[in-house]
Amino acid sequence: AQSVAQPEDQVNVAEGNPLTVKCTYSVSGNPYLFWYVQYPNRGLQFLLKYITGDNLVKGSYGFEAEFNKSQTSFHLKKPSALVSDSALYFCAVRDGAGRRALTFGSGTRLQVQP
Amino acid sequence: EPEVTQTPSHQVTQMGQEVILRCVPISNHLYFYWYRQILGQKVEFLVSFYNNEISEKSEIFDDQFSVERPDGSNFTLKIRSTKLEDSAMYFCASSFMNEQFFGPGTRLTVL
Repeated sequence: AQSVAQPEDQVNVAEGNPLTVKCTYSVSGNPYLFWYVQYPNRGLQFLLKYITGDNLVKGSYGFEAEFNKSQTSFHLKKPSALVSDSALYFCAVRDGAGRRALTFGSGTRLQVQP
Repeated sequence: EPEVTQTPSHQVTQMGQEVILRCVPISNHLYFYWYRQILGQKVEFLVSFYNNEISEKSEIFDDQFSVERPDGSNFTLKIRSTKLEDSAMYFCASSFMNEQFFGPGTRLTVL
């Protein structure tokens, strides 16, 4: 069975500082990894994905994520946080060889203080 | 930019009633999905649909649920006899390749 852990319910960071939102995963085959962001009363917006290739993937709004196979992690990062980045962030995984169903983590609320 | 749309945005129903949630996926996408998010909980997969048939479903997707693509554009989720525990946000998603694009959701409230 596939699973995702987001160990932090909330991350607080000051505007302009770098941010990291953590994600670890478990999947039987090659992982396909995704980050989504959810603003209040909105759907899930796709931010970035890792399928294969470079371990550092770049996505929307200046976000990037680093795939680490040995640590089974896919942490979301941004060099300089904006107040408008405050939202709920979800990591998701699927098995690249099989099922298309995404398994989501419990979400991490990012609060960026001015 | 094309997007997934869902109607209605909010549906209130009485326990035991049937509801149909509607979605219009992105036009060239091949795979369609329903997920739900109970308030304060994780987003959970319900079902995926490809080539006019269910390709995967979770244990949540029991006989009370059904999906249909009645024409070339709509994708619907029917809950035959709603229960209180069906109250949740229901998200439709579609994909062409790997990334799934989600609609804004339908908030279902069962009284």
